Amino acid sequence: EDQVTQSPEALRLQEGESSSLNCSYTVSGLRGLFWYRQDPGKGPEFLFTLYSAGEEKEKERLKATLTKKESFLHITAPKPEDSATYLCAVHYNQGGKLIFGQGTELSVKP
Amino acid sequence: DTGVSQDPRHKITKRGQNVTFRCDPISEHNRLYWYRQTLGQGPEFLTYFQNEAQLEKSRLLSDRFSAERPKGSFSTLEIQRTEQGDSAMYLCASSLSVPEQYFGPGTRLTVT
Repeated sequence: EDQVTQSPEALRLQEGESSSLNCSYTVSGLRGLFWYRQDPGKGPEFLFTLYSAGEEKEKERLKATLTKKESFLHITAPKPEDSATYLCAVHYNQGGKLIFGQGTELSVKP
Repeated sequence: DTGVSQDPRHKITKRGQNVTFRCDPISEHNRLYWYRQTLGQGPEFLTYFQNEAQLEKSRLLSDRFSAERPKGSFSTLEIQRTEQGDSAMYLCASSLSVPEQYFGPGTRLTVT
């Protein structure tokens, strides 16, 4: 069964404490892996797309990487405003649907 | 604002009533998607349009759900005879011919 699993479910960091979020997937024929940020009560905000193993993308304190079975979202020296739920999703067929993981809720304390 | 918009933002309804939600995509985007999200979970795909054609529907989209995109621009999602299990955030997203989807703010449905 096609599946996307994120870990940990929740992560609490002190400001400046770097860490990584994991997204593992079991789909055949990956066409793209996406990272989104979601604030409470709002829709997901697009962050990155990764298409092939070895690819990396960066934006401010965030860096996303992709292997054949998983993706990591590295957060360097996080700030309280980075607190949000981070969602991973995969696109694998000709159609448009994305399969999402359950998300990692990140909390960064000052 | 040129992002995806959804209306209403919140809807409270009684069980058994019908509700309709509207989504206006980013203007040049030809693909439009509906997802449903419950607390603590990621969004789940419901259906997808390319222009006015509905190309894919999830098993989650029971007979009580219907979606339309009559002129290939805005879309509506109707739920008939609502049930308490329909309470969720309903998200709309749009994209060009690439799979990067941009989401709206969502419609929060509460069925009492």
